Order: sequence, then C-alpha cells, then structure tokens
Amino acid sequence: EVKLVESGGGLVKPGGSLRLSCAASGFTFSSHSMNWVRQAPGKGLEWVSSITSTSNYIYTADSVKGRFTISRDNANNSLFLQMNSLRADDTAVYFCARGSSQTRAFDIWGQGTMVTVSS
Amino acid sequence: DIQMTQSPSTLSASVGDSVTITCRASQSISGWLAWYQQKSRKAPKLLIYKASTLESGVPSRFSGSGSGTEFTLTISSLQPDDFATYYCQQYNIYSPWTFGQGTKVEIK
Repeated sequence: EVKLVESGGGLVKPGGSLRLSCAASGFTFSSHSMNWVRQAPGKGLEWVSSITSTSNYIYTADSVKGRFTISRDNANNSLFLQMNSLRADDTAVYFCARGSSQTRAFDIWGQGTMVTVSS
Repeated sequence: DIQMTQSPSTLSASVGDSVTITCRASQSISGWLAWYQQKSRKAPKLLIYKASTLESGVPSRFSGSGSGTEFTLTISSLQPDDFATYYCQQYNIYSPWTFGQGTKVEIK
C-alpha cells in the first residue's frame, strides 16, 4: 500500500522551532519529488515547499522563505520540514504529498500533522 | 506570483444535479492544472491533472476542461459522496504550485 505518514507536530511558542517528518512506504521514494502543503484552521490549502527526487532543486513559498527548510533522506524514505522562527500564522495542519514529474500534480497525500504556534 | 481564483466559493446543489466550478489563473499556465477533493479537512484526493485527465479510480462523472487562464471542473449527476470542498492547483516553472481558495459543494 502506498502510504505517507507525517509526524512531529505539536504546540510550540512563537519564535520556536519544530521539525516535521514524513515516512513514505509502498513506492520508490527516491524516484519522486515531494512536497509540503499546509491548511490553517478554517482556511484553504497553501503550498509550502517542494524538493526534487535527488534534492537538486528546492522551491519554497515566499510566506516561509528563510524560516522553513525542506530536506529528504532517500536511504530511509523520509521527508522533513525544519521550521524555525515560528509565528502564530504558521498554525496549520501540515500535509506531505508525493509529486509527479509527468503531471506536476500531487497524487498521494498523508493525513497531516497539526502544528500550533501559541504562547 | 500566479493567483488562482475559484468561483463560486460555495455551491448548493441536490443529488443528481450537474455542477460546474471555475478556476481562473492570473496568467497563462499552459494546462498544468489539477483538481482535488477534500472532505472534512482530511487528506485531499487528486481528481484531475493536466486540466482534463482523470486520475485512475476517479468516477467518470468528474470531468475537467480549459486552457490558458480559464478552467472548469464539472460533476455530472452529483452523488452523496461528492459533497466536499474542491480546489484547483496550478503549476508554473516561475511561480510553482498555487491553490485556488476552494469551492464548497453543499447539499441544497
């Protein structure tokens, strides 16, 4: 079964840091680009960051540029999002999603992990 | 950055109705347009990619069309399982991956 499972969410104070992980299984992880998408409470989907299969290209939304860093470990089928200088408006469910180089769409999604930034 | 504008924001319809959601891009995106369905803020599900290609396993009552800056998602004969929120998403090499604000399809 193709699966993505996020972890690492929680409650953090403004200015703090958190590292999210996404464990992939059921497919050749090293052949796919990977992505993070977030959804604030009551809001729509917001693309956060993407990384190509070999990590040679990384793309990051302006809203988190300079604070969030995407990375991956192909040997362990894992995707990461290092989040620093967290703000209240970073509060959201964070989804990891598999990308397709042929379609540019996100075809497999995890269930998400909640990040709450509050004092 | 490329902005994606969906309309309407909310759509009320009955089982059996045909509904259409529109997504407009602020500039041409050459067909790199996907549609997703999300229920109760769970993991989104890919329905359509490249504007009109149905993802494997998605019922044929879903269809997509459009090019350039205007795209549509049509659900013919709405089923109870289709009441959800739908998002469009664009890809452009210079402004990667923007989502529309979503369209909630609710029961009339």
